[in-house]
This record gives sequence, C-alpha cells and structure tokens, in this order.
Amino acid sequence: GAVVSQHPSWVICKSGTSVKIECRSLDFQATTMFWYRQFPKQSLMLMATSNEGSKATYEQGVEKDKFLINHASLTLSTLTVTSAHPEDSSFYICSATAGADNSPLHFGNGTRLTVT
Amino acid sequence: DAKTTQPNSMESNEEEPVHLPCNHSTISGTDYIHWYRQLPSQGPEYVIHGLTSNVNNRMASLAIAEDRKSSTLILHRATLRDAAVYYCILTGGNQFYFGTGTSLTVIP
Repeated sequence: GAVVSQHPSWVICKSGTSVKIECRSLDFQATTMFWYRQFPKQSLMLMATSNEGSKATYEQGVEKDKFLINHASLTLSTLTVTSAHPEDSSFYICSATAGADNSPLHFGNGTRLTVT
Repeated sequence: DAKTTQPNSMESNEEEPVHLPCNHSTISGTDYIHWYRQLPSQGPEYVIHGLTSNVNNRMASLAIAEDRKSSTLILHRATLRDAAVYYCILTGGNQFYFGTGTSLTVIP
C-alpha cells in the first residue's frame, strides 16, 4: 500500500527557533500534499494544500510567513515553523494523494512539536 | 469546511458488528465519501471510500443511501484494535476537511 513517511516524529525546540518537518511519499507520486494541525482532543485542522512546483494555498487564519511550505518534488513536501512559540506546540500531520477525487489520502504518522 | 455530521461517540461489544452513521445532506454530485480512522498519537488511516454504490474491502463495508445524503461504515466484527476516532469526509475539488468524527469504544 501507499506509504507516507513523516520526520521527525517528535521535536522539542526553544521559543524563537525554527523547525522543519519533512513529508515523503515513498512509493507513489504525490501531486497534492496537505498539512494539518491537531490539538489535543480535537479534529484535524487543514492548514494548507500544496501542489508540486507551485505555491501552497493556505487556509484562512494560517500565517503563510510563519508556516512555510515547500513542495519541490512529487515525493517531498516540507513544513517549516518559523520563530516558533509555545502556542505553536501541536501535532502536525501531513498527507498525500495522487490527485484524483477518488484517490484516498495517505497520512504520515505525525510530528509532535513542543516549543519551550 | 466540514460538511458531514457524525455522533460524537459510540460503543460496541467486541466481536459484534458496528454501524457508524454519517450525514452529508449537502453532498454534491461529484463528492466522494471517504472514511478514515485515527488511533491516539498517530496519523489517520484510510478505511474506505465510495461514490454511489456500496463498497466492501478487507477492513469494512460502506453503505451509501440512495439519495447519497447519508452513509454508514460497517465493521463486521469489532475488535479492540478497532477502537479509534472515525472520520467521514466528502472530497470534491481535491478538498479534504475533517469534521469532529465518532470516537468508537470497543468493550471486551
């Protein structure tokens, strides 16, 4: 089955530093990747949608200069949380699809970010 | 924005069937119905999806109402490993918004 690898699985960083999270599709070409954020006991909140080679589309209320998304190839997307603050602490999850509406989403295992 | 409505929680006894409902009264003709489940501290896992006809796979069955305004995910024999949050979402125009989902508890 299709596999999405997300790295790191957890990270602790100091306030003001930046953190990069990688998301790779291992055995398929991901034309579209999605980044979600999930707070405890809540559902997944879509942050942005990215297509390979083009700029990401951010959801309302998500700061594009703070959450930098790069989708440079059909198998790799990165999310960089810049100048992280404690309120950015959350569970970040990436997902990928081959693109068609009838293609399922394949998820990474998530990254637990803790900003101290 | 999420366009589905699901009960917040459900319980099932182990080895009994479970029917998880989902209402999507504003579904459009091109929306697919997808189901995912999420275990604690993990990314969601794809379960099943369909458009109009009922679907079966090794994990579950998906029953879609004739008017497509609702659907039901059927786990034929619940196991303890099926305890998770189940999300029903509509995908149209490559948009994947999650609702609150149903937290399934499986009782041994």
